[in-house]
Amino acid sequence: KQEVTQIPAALSVPEGENLVLNCSFTDSAIYNLQWFRQDPGKGLTSLLLIQSSQREQTSGRLNASLDKSSGRSTLYIAASQPGDSATYLCAVTTAGGSEKLVFGKGTKLTVNP
Amino acid sequence: KAGVTQTPRYLIKTRGQQVTLSCSPISGHRSVSWYQQTPGQGLQFLFEYFSETQRNKGNFPGRFSGRQFSNSRSEMNVSTLELGDSALYLCASRSGSGKNIQYFGAGTRLSVL
Repeated sequence: KQEVTQIPAALSVPEGENLVLNCSFTDSAIYNLQWFRQDPGKGLTSLLLIQSSQREQTSGRLNASLDKSSGRSTLYIAASQPGDSATYLCAVTTAGGSEKLVFGKGTKLTVNP
Repeated sequence: KAGVTQTPRYLIKTRGQQVTLSCSPISGHRSVSWYQQTPGQGLQFLFEYFSETQRNKGNFPGRFSGRQFSNSRSEMNVSTLELGDSALYLCASRSGSGKNIQYFGAGTRLSVL
């Protein structure tokens, strides 16, 4: 059974700092990995999707890497801003027919002005 | 292009009642998935529909059911509500061709009293 873990559960940083969020998964037979952002009381916004054959994806100040063999992904946020404050969720889709996403419990990020 | 629309946004029900939640996917998307989010369990997959057929079901009791209509709109029903069904219910849509990005709605917050 696929399990996804995110560390740390919460993180507080001053504005401008570069930071890394971690995600690990137990079964390396994944199809892809997605990073999402969730603001309080809101739905999920997809940030980056990495296919299993890719090593990284970049969008603006965000960079996500994937090491499938070790079951790890990191989300790097450069020059953090107060508007980046949210919960960041990592999710994997397993190989095979299922389209379901298996989520970690998220990292709650607070960027202080 | 309109995003994923979930109605209603908030619901208050009492134990034993039943509830129906609605999800309208992005135009042209044929796949709709449902997830339950609680503070304790995080995000858990309920089921996925594609072209009116249920393709996958998560590990939830039979009180949870769903369906998809010919216009891809989906409904989720929970019968005989229990206190533990209080959660944010999220719907996600994707085009259905390949395992691509899932787009989430804002969710329906269900409170069972």
